[in-house]
Amino acid sequence: SYVLTQPPSVSVAPGQTATITCGGNNIGTKSVHWYQQRPGQAPVPVVHDDSDRPSGIPERFSGSNSGNTATLTISRVEAGDEADYYCQVWDSSTGHFVFGTGTKVTVL
Amino acid sequence: EVQLVQSGAEVKKPGSAVKISCTVSGYRFTDYFIHWVQQAPGQGLEWMGLIDRENDKPIYAEKFQGRVTITADTSTDTVYMELSSLRSEDTAVYYCAIDFHSYYMDVWGKGTTVTVSS
Repeated sequence: SYVLTQPPSVSVAPGQTATITCGGNNIGTKSVHWYQQRPGQAPVPVVHDDSDRPSGIPERFSGSNSGNTATLTISRVEAGDEADYYCQVWDSSTGHFVFGTGTKVTVL
Repeated sequence: EVQLVQSGAEVKKPGSAVKISCTVSGYRFTDYFIHWVQQAPGQGLEWMGLIDRENDKPIYAEKFQGRVTITADTSTDTVYMELSSLRSEDTAVYYCAIDFHSYYMDVWGKGTTVTVSS
């Protein structure tokens, strides 16, 4: 089955940039979606289809995808960005959906 | 505004089954999937399966195949997820989420906590 690997944690100071990676075999050929999950809450999509933002998501959230790595970038990080972030793809070979292992973003 | 309303928390014995509901409001068409996602305490998100509301055909993740059943009631816009042969490792929050055939989960329910304990 398709595997998506994320770093367990990322720490960033307020105002700086957080970069979260999502590694998968030829992930650049797939559409990657990203979710934010604050403690005790349901996940919320922050980027879909590699780099599109849903309505209401700040421009500070951006995404890219190429080769074997997709990336979620959070610019000008705020305290409210502290959360777990998950990438997700649809594996067309099986018709199944896959989540990444998740990354905890800590704002210092 | 699309909303997903899930049923309340459950406590179950090992070996039994649980059936959770997810009711869609604010959208009157059937061109969407409903996904079910498991999140064990302190763990990540795990996709369990989906149902395509255009034909009510389910697809299940390999890990849950044989134990999970996803069905729909068209008269009430409600989708159900039943998980059988429960064990302690099934203690988790279960989320439903809607996907408008875009292959990502656009809106999520608040989650249903299932506790499996003897």
